[in-house]
Amino acid sequence: SQTIHQWPATLVQPVGSPLSLECTVEGTSNPNLYWYRQAAGRGLQLLFYSVGIGQISSEVPQNLSASRPQDRQFILSSKKLLLSDSGFYLCAWGFRANYGYTFGSGTRLTVV
Amino acid sequence: TQLLKQSPQFLSIQEGENLTVYCNSSSVFSSLQWYRQEPGEGPVLLVTVVTGGEVKKLKRLTFQFGDARKDSSLHITAAQTGDTGLYLCAGGAGGSYIPTFGRGTSLIVHP
Repeated sequence: SQTIHQWPATLVQPVGSPLSLECTVEGTSNPNLYWYRQAAGRGLQLLFYSVGIGQISSEVPQNLSASRPQDRQFILSSKKLLLSDSGFYLCAWGFRANYGYTFGSGTRLTVV
Repeated sequence: TQLLKQSPQFLSIQEGENLTVYCNSSSVFSSLQWYRQEPGEGPVLLVTVVTGGEVKKLKRLTFQFGDARKDSSLHITAAQTGDTGLYLCAGGAGGSYIPTFGRGTSLIVHP
Protein backbone atom coordinates (compact mmCIF):
# COMPACT_ATOMS: atom_id res chain seq x y z
CA SER A 1 0.00 0.00 0.00
CA GLN A 2 1.06 3.55 -0.58
CA THR A 3 2.20 5.65 2.35
CA ILE A 4 3.63 9.11 2.70
CA HIS A 5 6.00 10.21 5.42
CA GLN A 6 6.63 13.78 6.37
CA TRP A 7 8.92 15.10 9.08
CA PRO A 8 9.43 16.71 11.45
CA ALA A 9 5.93 17.12 12.89
CA THR A 10 6.76 20.40 14.60
CA LEU A 11 9.60 22.84 14.22
CA VAL A 12 10.50 26.10 15.91
CA GLN A 13 13.17 28.06 14.09
CA PRO A 14 14.63 31.55 14.57
CA VAL A 15 14.32 34.17 11.87
CA GLY A 16 17.18 33.92 9.41
CA SER A 17 17.87 30.25 10.03
CA PRO A 18 17.76 27.63 7.24
CA LEU A 19 14.94 25.15 6.73
CA SER A 20 14.72 21.64 5.38
CA LEU A 21 11.48 19.64 5.40
CA GLU A 22 11.47 16.17 3.91
CA CYS A 23 8.74 14.06 2.41
CA THR A 24 9.00 10.50 1.13
CA VAL A 25 6.46 8.26 -0.55
CA GLU A 26 6.37 4.47 -0.47
CA GLY A 27 4.51 1.96 -2.57
CA THR A 28 4.26 3.86 -5.84
CA SER A 29 6.49 5.03 -8.66
CA ASN A 30 6.82 8.34 -10.44
CA PRO A 31 4.14 10.13 -8.43
CA ASN A 32 3.43 13.82 -8.76
CA LEU A 33 4.56 15.48 -5.55
CA TYR A 34 3.27 18.66 -3.97
CA TRP A 35 4.10 21.09 -1.17
CA TYR A 36 1.22 23.10 0.28
CA ARG A 37 1.04 25.66 3.05
CA GLN A 38 -2.06 26.14 5.14
CA ALA A 39 -2.74 29.16 7.32
CA ALA A 40 -4.98 29.05 10.39
CA GLY A 41 -6.81 25.83 9.46
CA ARG A 42 -8.13 27.21 6.20
CA GLY A 43 -7.50 26.61 2.52
CA LEU A 44 -4.40 25.17 0.96
CA GLN A 45 -1.87 27.29 -0.88
CA LEU A 46 0.13 25.35 -3.45
CA LEU A 47 3.83 26.19 -3.17
CA PHE A 48 5.59 23.71 -5.46
CA TYR A 49 4.84 20.63 -7.48
CA SER A 50 6.97 18.11 -9.29
CA VAL A 51 6.10 15.65 -12.03
CA GLY A 52 9.50 13.96 -12.07
CA ILE A 53 13.03 13.87 -10.68
CA GLY A 54 14.64 17.29 -10.91
CA GLN A 55 11.44 18.89 -12.26
CA ILE A 56 10.09 21.60 -9.98
CA SER A 57 7.33 24.10 -10.70
CA SER A 58 6.84 27.04 -8.38
CA GLU A 59 3.42 28.53 -7.88
CA VAL A 60 4.28 31.32 -5.46
CA PRO A 61 7.49 33.40 -5.60
CA GLN A 62 9.06 33.55 -2.16
CA ASN A 63 12.20 32.63 -0.27
CA LEU A 64 11.35 28.94 -0.31
CA SER A 65 12.67 26.37 -2.76
CA ALA A 66 11.99 22.72 -3.46
CA SER A 67 14.00 19.83 -4.79
CA ARG A 68 13.30 16.28 -5.86
CA PRO A 69 16.58 14.38 -5.71
CA GLN A 70 14.91 10.96 -5.96
CA ASP A 71 11.68 9.69 -7.47
CA ARG A 72 9.85 9.46 -4.16
CA GLN A 73 11.58 12.21 -2.18
CA PHE A 74 10.54 15.84 -2.07
CA ILE A 75 12.34 18.47 -0.02
CA LEU A 76 11.26 21.99 0.91
CA SER A 77 14.06 24.37 1.83
CA SER A 78 14.87 27.91 2.75
CA LYS A 79 18.22 29.60 3.22
CA LYS A 80 16.85 32.25 5.58
CA LEU A 81 13.45 31.97 7.21
CA LEU A 82 11.10 34.92 7.63
CA LEU A 83 8.41 35.35 10.26
CA SER A 84 5.85 35.10 7.46
CA ASP A 85 7.05 31.56 6.68
CA SER A 86 5.29 30.27 9.79
CA GLY A 87 2.46 27.90 8.98
CA PHE A 88 1.37 24.33 8.49
CA TYR A 89 3.22 22.65 5.63
CA LEU A 90 1.76 19.66 3.88
CA CYS A 91 3.28 17.26 1.40
CA ALA A 92 1.02 15.32 -0.94
CA TRP A 93 1.27 12.86 -3.79
CA GLY A 94 -1.04 11.91 -6.62
CA PHE A 95 -1.18 11.28 -10.35
CA ARG A 96 -3.96 13.38 -11.79
CA ALA A 97 -6.19 16.01 -10.23
CA ASN A 98 -9.15 13.76 -11.05
CA TYR A 99 -8.02 10.98 -8.79
CA GLY A 100 -7.43 12.84 -5.55
CA TYR A 101 -4.35 13.18 -3.46
CA THR A 102 -2.80 11.60 -0.39
CA PHE A 103 -1.43 14.01 2.17
CA GLY A 104 1.25 13.65 4.78
CA SER A 105 0.53 14.47 8.39
CA GLY A 106 2.04 17.94 8.09
CA THR A 107 4.77 20.03 9.72
CA ARG A 108 3.86 22.90 12.02
CA LEU A 109 6.59 25.52 11.49
CA THR A 110 6.88 28.45 13.85
CA VAL A 111 9.45 31.08 13.03
CA VAL A 112 10.40 33.17 16.06
CA THR B 1 -8.37 30.61 -12.85
CA GLN B 2 -10.92 28.11 -11.62
CA LEU B 3 -12.31 28.90 -8.20
CA LEU B 4 -14.27 26.80 -5.75
CA LYS B 5 -16.39 28.54 -3.16
CA GLN B 6 -17.42 26.63 -0.09
CA SER B 7 -20.29 27.54 2.17
CA PRO B 8 -20.84 28.00 4.95
CA GLN B 9 -17.35 28.85 6.18
CA PHE B 10 -18.19 27.84 9.74
CA LEU B 11 -20.85 25.56 11.15
CA SER B 12 -21.50 24.77 14.80
CA ILE B 13 -24.22 22.23 15.55
CA GLN B 14 -25.39 19.78 18.19
CA GLU B 15 -24.86 16.06 17.96
CA GLY B 16 -27.72 14.39 16.11
CA GLU B 17 -28.47 17.30 13.78
CA ASN B 18 -28.30 17.07 9.99
CA LEU B 19 -26.22 19.45 7.89
CA THR B 20 -25.28 20.22 4.32
CA VAL B 21 -22.19 22.00 3.04
CA TYR B 22 -21.75 23.27 -0.47
CA CYS B 23 -18.98 23.64 -3.01
CA ASN B 24 -19.71 25.86 -6.02
CA SER B 25 -17.88 27.04 -9.08
CA SER B 26 -18.58 28.84 -12.33
CA SER B 27 -16.28 26.36 -14.06
CA VAL B 28 -16.86 22.78 -15.09
CA PHE B 29 -14.75 20.13 -13.38
CA SER B 30 -14.17 16.63 -14.64
CA SER B 31 -14.15 15.38 -11.06
CA LEU B 32 -14.51 16.66 -7.56
CA GLN B 33 -13.10 15.36 -4.30
CA TRP B 34 -14.08 15.89 -0.69
CA TYR B 35 -11.52 15.76 2.11
CA ARG B 36 -11.80 15.93 5.89
CA GLN B 37 -9.00 17.40 7.93
CA GLU B 38 -8.70 17.11 11.69
CA PRO B 39 -6.67 19.67 13.65
CA GLY B 40 -2.94 19.12 13.30
CA GLU B 41 -3.33 16.48 10.61
CA GLY B 42 -3.29 16.36 6.83
CA PRO B 43 -6.52 16.19 4.81
CA VAL B 44 -7.89 12.71 4.19
CA LEU B 45 -9.68 11.92 0.95
CA LEU B 46 -13.30 10.92 1.56
CA VAL B 47 -14.69 10.54 -1.93
CA THR B 48 -14.24 11.36 -5.61
CA VAL B 49 -17.25 12.03 -7.84
CA VAL B 50 -16.83 12.09 -11.60
CA THR B 51 -20.25 11.88 -13.26
CA GLY B 52 -22.76 14.73 -13.35
CA GLY B 53 -25.63 13.92 -10.98
CA GLU B 54 -23.63 11.21 -9.25
CA VAL B 55 -24.48 10.44 -5.63
CA LYS B 56 -22.16 8.53 -3.33
CA LYS B 57 -22.76 7.47 0.23
CA LEU B 58 -20.19 6.84 2.92
CA LYS B 59 -22.07 5.71 6.04
CA ARG B 60 -23.87 8.88 7.24
CA LEU B 61 -22.24 11.08 4.59
CA THR B 62 -23.90 11.65 1.21
CA PHE B 63 -22.01 13.35 -1.59
CA GLN B 64 -23.60 14.70 -4.74
CA PHE B 65 -22.04 16.08 -7.91
CA GLY B 66 -24.17 18.61 -9.74
CA ASP B 67 -25.63 17.73 -13.13
CA ALA B 68 -23.50 20.38 -14.81
CA ARG B 69 -20.39 19.32 -12.83
CA LYS B 70 -19.96 22.83 -11.45
CA ASP B 71 -21.03 22.17 -7.88
CA SER B 72 -21.22 19.55 -5.18
CA SER B 73 -22.76 19.04 -1.79
CA LEU B 74 -21.97 17.01 1.28
CA HIS B 75 -24.83 16.04 3.56
CA ILE B 76 -24.23 14.55 6.99
CA THR B 77 -27.09 12.79 8.74
CA ALA B 78 -27.22 12.66 12.53
CA ALA B 79 -23.86 14.34 13.04
CA GLN B 80 -21.50 12.96 15.65
CA THR B 81 -18.67 14.64 17.54
CA GLY B 82 -16.25 12.60 15.45
CA ASP B 83 -17.44 14.49 12.35
CA THR B 84 -15.77 17.64 13.67
CA GLY B 85 -13.14 18.94 11.28
CA LEU B 86 -12.41 21.03 8.22
CA TYR B 87 -14.16 19.81 5.07
CA LEU B 88 -12.39 20.71 1.85
CA CYS B 89 -13.57 20.24 -1.69
CA ALA B 90 -11.16 20.06 -4.60
CA GLY B 91 -11.82 20.03 -8.32
CA GLY B 92 -9.89 18.35 -11.07
CA ALA B 93 -9.94 19.49 -14.69
CA GLY B 94 -9.10 17.04 -17.41
CA GLY B 95 -5.49 15.96 -17.34
CA SER B 96 -4.40 18.72 -15.01
CA TYR B 97 -1.80 17.96 -12.36
CA ILE B 98 -3.08 20.75 -10.16
CA PRO B 99 -6.31 20.46 -8.17
CA THR B 100 -8.27 23.55 -7.25
CA PHE B 101 -9.10 23.60 -3.55
CA GLY B 102 -11.90 25.47 -1.82
CA ARG B 103 -11.15 27.27 1.43
CA GLY B 104 -13.10 24.76 3.47
CA THR B 105 -16.02 24.53 5.86
CA SER B 106 -15.07 24.26 9.51
CA LEU B 107 -17.56 22.01 11.30
CA ILE B 108 -17.86 21.68 15.07
CA VAL B 109 -20.28 19.12 16.47
CA HIS B 110 -21.07 19.63 20.14
CA PRO B 111 -22.02 16.69 22.39
